[in-house]
Amino acid sequence: EIVLTQSPATLSLSPGERATLSCRASQSVSSYLAWYQQKPGQAPRLLIYDASNKATGIPARFSGSGSGTDFTLTISSLEPEDFAVYYCQQRSNWPPMYTFGQGTKLEIK
Amino acid sequence: QVQLQESGPGLVKPSQTLSLTCTVSGGSISSGGYYWSWIRQHPGKGLEWIGYIYYSGSTYYNPSLKSRVTISVDTSKNQFSMKLSSVTAADTAVYYCARGVTGYTDYWGQGTLVTVSS
Repeated sequence: EIVLTQSPATLSLSPGERATLSCRASQSVSSYLAWYQQKPGQAPRLLIYDASNKATGIPARFSGSGSGTDFTLTISSLEPEDFAVYYCQQRSNWPPMYTFGQGTKLEIK
Repeated sequence: QVQLQESGPGLVKPSQTLSLTCTVSGGSISSGGYYWSWIRQHPGKGLEWIGYIYYSGSTYYNPSLKSRVTISVDTSKNQFSMKLSSVTAADTAVYYCARGVTGYTDYWGQGTLVTVSS
């Protein structure tokens, strides 16, 4: 079973700053890596799929990169609405299951 | 626009079976290529994938829950369901249904809180 480890657990930044969130897999996941944003009381929202593709309606300030075992979500200039919890997710070929990272909380400094 | 909506009891007694249904609108559950999934989130914690039923009917479950969970589909109602048996307080969580594709989950229900308590 593939384990996803996100870092840091908490990231404290100010609006306008650049955010870099990391997700490391215990073994290669090819490019089947997705990122989600979750705000309190809401379901997660898909931001990035296949490591670097933006989902529909996602602002240009969000970008994803990486392959194999190391992936990054970058928010180029933080807006107030970006402060939330971010999760990475992968789906392995075998066993054919999804797994999530433990999340990174992006909080206002 | 695909929409998913969970339904079911919000309170379940310990040792009983938790049953939830997800109604899909805006698309057919029989459409090829989708993994109709259940995911849960314990209060204040991260996301835990429970399992899915593929459009073909095959299922796969999280090994940690496999002995207690069953996911099924009713194509006539465009719904899929989950049953989790022998629940304890540790199963108290928000349960989400979602649509998965090969590498990600693109549509989610709003989630429903299920509390296990006597």
